Amino acid sequence: QKEVEQDPGPLSVPEGAIVSLNCTYSNSAFQYFMWYRQYSRKGPELLMYTYSSGNKEDGRFTAQVDKSSKYISLFIRDSQPSDSATYLCAMIDTGANSKLTFGKGITLSVRP
Amino acid sequence: GAVVSQHPSRVICKSGTSVKIECRSLDFQATTMFWYRQFPKQSLMLMATSNEGSKATYEQGVEKDKFLINHASLTLSTLTVTSAHPEDSSFYICSARSGGASRAFFGQGTRLTVV
Repeated sequence: QKEVEQDPGPLSVPEGAIVSLNCTYSNSAFQYFMWYRQYSRKGPELLMYTYSSGNKEDGRFTAQVDKSSKYISLFIRDSQPSDSATYLCAMIDTGANSKLTFGKGITLSVRP
Repeated sequence: GAVVSQHPSRVICKSGTSVKIECRSLDFQATTMFWYRQFPKQSLMLMATSNEGSKATYEQGVEKDKFLINHASLTLSTLTVTSAHPEDSSFYICSARSGGASRAFFGQGTRLTVV
């Protein structure tokens, strides 16, 4: 079992839809959780960074962490065509040189 | 967010030559830098982790003599692909972080094509 599993996608939604992206993990040592957005042929851009269980909101984006279920989500409200990109979840195990472990990424397409 | 600058963004080189890629943290001190490789439509594969002033730690299967990493200062790390071959063609991305568990910021990536 991989340490981080991410829904494979691709995902296509109409403009204005609410998007839910999810990752599960198996390593209880993961303490910090991030979501990155990557446009084609660009480096990943940090969207959200969370530590504790619960919700964190930033504009149209909400990151949700449930450590008891080892499950994290990213919600995008009022999705826009400019949100079309690959989204990667990432986690830090503070006991293993603090390396980031990434999900495989999911490609989102928002149709105008 | 913090800015990480990676250069060049694109490079084409002949087989057998070496290529150097630079990664700079512009507005923070990067105690740790990471180098990744990404194949089309795949996630990032960690190649090595470098701490300023120390030798890089390479992931299993990554040849340290082929992928030379230098992290001589808190704002600069370099990756040199030595004796490049067509199979080394890929998208290389650096990431920088200022503390053990703080957020990591990525460079823009370098697309290397070896002909």
